Amino acid sequence: IAGITQAPTSQILAAGRRMTLRCTQDMRHNAMYWYRQDLGLGLRLIHYSNTAGTTGKGEVPDGYSVSRANTDDFPLTLASAVPSQTSVYFCATSETMNTEAFFGQGTRLTVV
Amino acid sequence: GNSVTQMEGPVTLSEEAFLTINCTYTATGYPSLFWYVQYPGEGLQLLLKATKADDKGSNKGFEATYRKETTSFHLEKGSVQVSDSAVYFCALRDRAGTALIFGKGTTLSVSS
Repeated sequence: IAGITQAPTSQILAAGRRMTLRCTQDMRHNAMYWYRQDLGLGLRLIHYSNTAGTTGKGEVPDGYSVSRANTDDFPLTLASAVPSQTSVYFCATSETMNTEAFFGQGTRLTVV
Repeated sequence: GNSVTQMEGPVTLSEEAFLTINCTYTATGYPSLFWYVQYPGEGLQLLLKATKADDKGSNKGFEATYRKETTSFHLEKGSVQVSDSAVYFCALRDRAGTALIFGKGTTLSVSS
């Protein structure tokens, strides 16, 4: 089924380690996003990309970086993980920045 | 700035009861409005949307009407089922094309 693939599904990570969450789409959507979901806080935007080659900061970008080398891939990197980055991370895409978004299944990350 | 406020849960209902989940928003201009649903262990799925005032979005028996005068987009269903148990998120995207902004989510639990 076409859609958005996130990897890994879940991960336990030692604090201070570097980690890259992968997101790949096959819908050829221009825009891609990373959100984190935390209980009581809903979904908060970390970074986004309007189109390949461009990225922007969302509401909670500190401690995270992204790249958009091509249309299909939008990896999220935690340079040095901290326990407050324990969360469920969702990648999403939309055809443009004005249309509805489609979500991946999420990556559950625990930083210990 | 743009924001979405939705009623806090959990909402607990018996099967076949009437459902309302309130959602109000703050935004400049005329945003597009969305309801997403998240079933346990899954990513978010678009439930319905409305792109201009007085539009009614509908899907799977759920409805929501874009009310500009009250800046609201309340979700309703006439007769809920156990399978509707999930977390529901109200969201907006403004005309400038910023990424989706979500409310904190409302958990619905339906018992038979």
